[in-house]
Amino acid sequence: QKEVEQNSGPLSVPEGAIASLNCTYSDRGSQSFFWYRQYSGKSPELIMSIYSNGDKEDGRFTAQLNKASQYVSLLIRDSQPSDSATYLCAAYTSGTYKYIFGTGTRLKVLA
Amino acid sequence: DTGVSQDPRHKITKRGQNVTFRCDPISEHNRLYWYRQTLGQGPEFLTYFQNEAQLEKSRLLSDRFSAERPKGSFSTLEIQRTEQGDSAMYLCASSLAGSGGNTDTQYFGPGTRLTVL
Repeated sequence: QKEVEQNSGPLSVPEGAIASLNCTYSDRGSQSFFWYRQYSGKSPELIMSIYSNGDKEDGRFTAQLNKASQYVSLLIRDSQPSDSATYLCAAYTSGTYKYIFGTGTRLKVLA
Repeated sequence: DTGVSQDPRHKITKRGQNVTFRCDPISEHNRLYWYRQTLGQGPEFLTYFQNEAQLEKSRLLSDRFSAERPKGSFSTLEIQRTEQGDSAMYLCASSLAGSGGNTDTQYFGPGTRLTVL
């Protein structure tokens, strides 16, 4: 049973639109959540972290966490073609030393 | 560059050969992780060090795999008797434990892409 689930996509959005990426996790003990962007052939690059229920905004990115529903999302406003990449969601449980990654959602922003 | 570095970036080897990869974490980071990633998958946890102590190993890490972090700084990952199924991107990440709150944010190196022929 996968512990972090993401829709593999591709998710296609037009340039300038809002892209919404979703992630669910199974371990209720998970307390920290991370979104990474990964371009093809490159390593993951941290976009945002979120620890508390609610929204966290950073520039064009907003992360949302709902621990009751075990759901994390990432919104990308004013999507650009350069945002086209795979977005990985990761959950961390303190004491396990492990970050569990989803398989990623491939985002395509169409110019 | 003060980020995580990995060497080599690419490695092509023949089945049965041994390979060793190196990771240099961000200098003040005390935690170091190794992951393996194959096409279409997220990174899979292999092992974890806090300083020089190896605290966790995945069941994915067969006895052909060994990792060290001898002085709590750089780390090496060795694969003995490589198999074609070992072909993957091997990622290293580091983080700073105890930096407050829930923070234990990992930063990844560029990865080593291994191809076993």
